[in-house]
Amino acid sequence: DAKTTQPTSMDCAEGRAANLPCNHSTISGNEYVYWYRQIHSQGPQYIIHGLKNNETNEMASLIITEDRKSSTLILPHATLRDTAVYYCIGGATSGTYKYIFGTGTRLKVLA
Amino acid sequence: DTEVTQTPKHLVMGMTNKKSLKCEQHMGHRAMYWYKQKAKKPPELMFVYSYEKLSINESVPSRFSPECPNSSLLNLHLHALQPEDSALYLCASSAQIGGRRNEKLFFGSGTQLSVL
Repeated sequence: DAKTTQPTSMDCAEGRAANLPCNHSTISGNEYVYWYRQIHSQGPQYIIHGLKNNETNEMASLIITEDRKSSTLILPHATLRDTAVYYCIGGATSGTYKYIFGTGTRLKVLA
Repeated sequence: DTEVTQTPKHLVMGMTNKKSLKCEQHMGHRAMYWYKQKAKKPPELMFVYSYEKLSINESVPSRFSPECPNSSLLNLHLHALQPEDSALYLCASSAQIGGRRNEKLFFGSGTQLSVL
């Protein structure tokens, strides 16, 4: 199974960019990287995913290194509502839908 | 409709009780998942159903019994649970198109289960 490691917690000032790293050195060539976030006691919410190229949507940007061993989720202008736990998933095991969550980063956006 | 609906939102049960958790989606998704989440921990995969057939069981104890009666419904039957089974139980679904691994998971809000 693809395993991911993330820092336990991070703080970010409101209005600044939040950069959340994830290491997924065991990811295989055709597995996508996914990011979800979970606000207290709610179900995880999809943010973004990518394979090789950088991706951007209305919520965030995803930067994947060329060797695909790590990625960074960027929230360009963090708000207090972005305070949540952010999970990186290093793809599903080949041939399955076995999505395994990493340990997550607890992001606190400070006013 | 992009919702996954889970009922009940909260459940308290004794160790000798039998109860069921229900999950429903109307997005036409053909993969459905159960995850268990303890406080301050990431969700842990329990079961995956693909086209109404159980495809993954992550060595879950038999006191948890999943059922997928049709493509829109997923149940988790609970029997003789232990206090350590108290957790948030999350259901998710994904489209599962042609076996590709480029899929978003859509999660419900979960059932908070307390076993006394």
